[in-house]
Amino acid sequence: NAGVTQTPKFQVLKTGQSMTLQCAQDMNHEYMSWYRQDPGMGLRLIHYSVGAGITDQGEVPNGYNVSRSTTEDFPLRLLSAAPSQTSVYFCASSPPPLAGAKETQYFGPGTRLLVL
Amino acid sequence: DAKTTQPPSMDCAEGRAANLPCNHSTISGNEYVYWYRQIHSQGPQYIIHGLKNNETNEMASLIITEDRKSSTLILPHATLRDTAVYYCIVRDPHGSSNTGKLIFGQGTTLQVKP
Repeated sequence: NAGVTQTPKFQVLKTGQSMTLQCAQDMNHEYMSWYRQDPGMGLRLIHYSVGAGITDQGEVPNGYNVSRSTTEDFPLRLLSAAPSQTSVYFCASSPPPLAGAKETQYFGPGTRLLVL
Repeated sequence: DAKTTQPPSMDCAEGRAANLPCNHSTISGNEYVYWYRQIHSQGPQYIIHGLKNNETNEMASLIITEDRKSSTLILPHATLRDTAVYYCIVRDPHGSSNTGKLIFGQGTTLQVKP
C-alpha cells in the first residue's frame, strides 16, 4: 500500500492563480480530510468528507473547494490564491469508527504552497 | 470535543523516559484521549489512544487518571528520533459530529537531547 499520497510536494503560485492539490489513498478509507498548517501552529481543518459524494466544511473553509467523486481521491481546489493561503497542506484518511476499530488517521507527506 | 492543555515545550535526555502531560478537565464520558506526533515537516503520526484504562503499545504508554481529567504519554526510552511536536486530542469517535476529523491544539514540543 502506498498509503496517503499528495501531489505536488511544493508549489509556487501568484496571487489570483488557481490550482488543485491532489490527495489519494489506497486503503479504501471512507473518511478523508484536508488540513493546513501555518508556521509554528497546529493543524487546522479545512474540509472533510465521510464518503464519496459527501463533503462538509471544517474550521477554515474560505477560499477552498473540495469534491469527492471516488473513495480514493479528495482534491482541494484554490480558486483564486492569496498570500494568506501560504501554508503546508496535509491530507488524511481514516476508516469509520466501527466498534473495536483503532480509528487511526493516516496523513500524507504534505504539500508546501507559497503564494506570492 | 473537549479542550486540552499541554505544556508548550519539554526536554528529555536520550535513553530516559519522556513523560508528556495533558489536561482535559471537561472530557465527557464517551470521549477518548488520542496522541499524535509530528516530526519536523512530516505529516502527523498516530501514537496511541485510550478511554479509561491505561494503554500500552510498541511506541508508548498512556496513563489516564481515574477521574479522566488528565493523562500522560510515556515514551519509555526516548531517542533523538522522538524529537517532535506531540498533540493530545480528546474526541468521541462514535459521536454524531464525528467525521474522522481531528482538532489540533498547539501541542508540546519535545526535544530529546544527547
